[in-house]
Amino acid sequence: QKEVEQDPGPLSVPEGAIVSLNCTYSNSAFQYFMWYRQYSRKGPELLMYTYSSGNKEDGRFTAQVDKSSKYISLFIRDSQPSDSATYLCAMSLFYGQNFVFGPGTRLSVLP
Amino acid sequence: DVKVTQSSRYLVKRTGEKVFLECVQDMDHENMFWYRQDPGLGLRLIYFSYDVKMKEKGDIPEGYSVSREKKERFSLILESASTNQTSMYLCASRDSQGAGGYTFGSGTRLTVV
Repeated sequence: QKEVEQDPGPLSVPEGAIVSLNCTYSNSAFQYFMWYRQYSRKGPELLMYTYSSGNKEDGRFTAQVDKSSKYISLFIRDSQPSDSATYLCAMSLFYGQNFVFGPGTRLSVLP
Repeated sequence: DVKVTQSSRYLVKRTGEKVFLECVQDMDHENMFWYRQDPGLGLRLIYFSYDVKMKEKGDIPEGYSVSREKKERFSLILESASTNQTSMYLCASRDSQGAGGYTFGSGTRLTVV
């Protein structure tokens, strides 16, 4: 079993839809969670950074962590064609430790 | 506003060649990383460095080495390139406190023929 898993997609949604992107992980000790967005032929860029369980909101993006289920989610409201990218989750055990990345989910928002 | 710069976007090299991938960051970060990214496998850590002249092996160091002679520069070296090293290579940096995430470069697409 991989340490961090994501559905690779592609996930296609119409513009304006609410998008749910998910990661599952095997190590219950993970405490720090990130979401990165990667456009084609670009490096990943940080979207959200959360600690432990709960929700964090930033504009149209909401990150949710459910440690009991070992499951994290990224919700995108009012999705736009510019949101079309690959979304990577990442997590670590301790503050400052290197992160383990999921393989990414490719999202396509259709105008 | 470029913060992590990888010297080449695309490279084509022959099997057996020695290959240098260069990365420079302008944020005065102590920590620097080299990843490779392959479809279905995600980002895999090759090497990282916590300080000048320091290096640590990541998850897949075989066939690679690194050099960090200056704080801002971290080089990845393929001693004898092989076709299974064809990949996207991403450099990243992070401050020593570990606060926030990584800042990535735009990547180098290496093809070994």
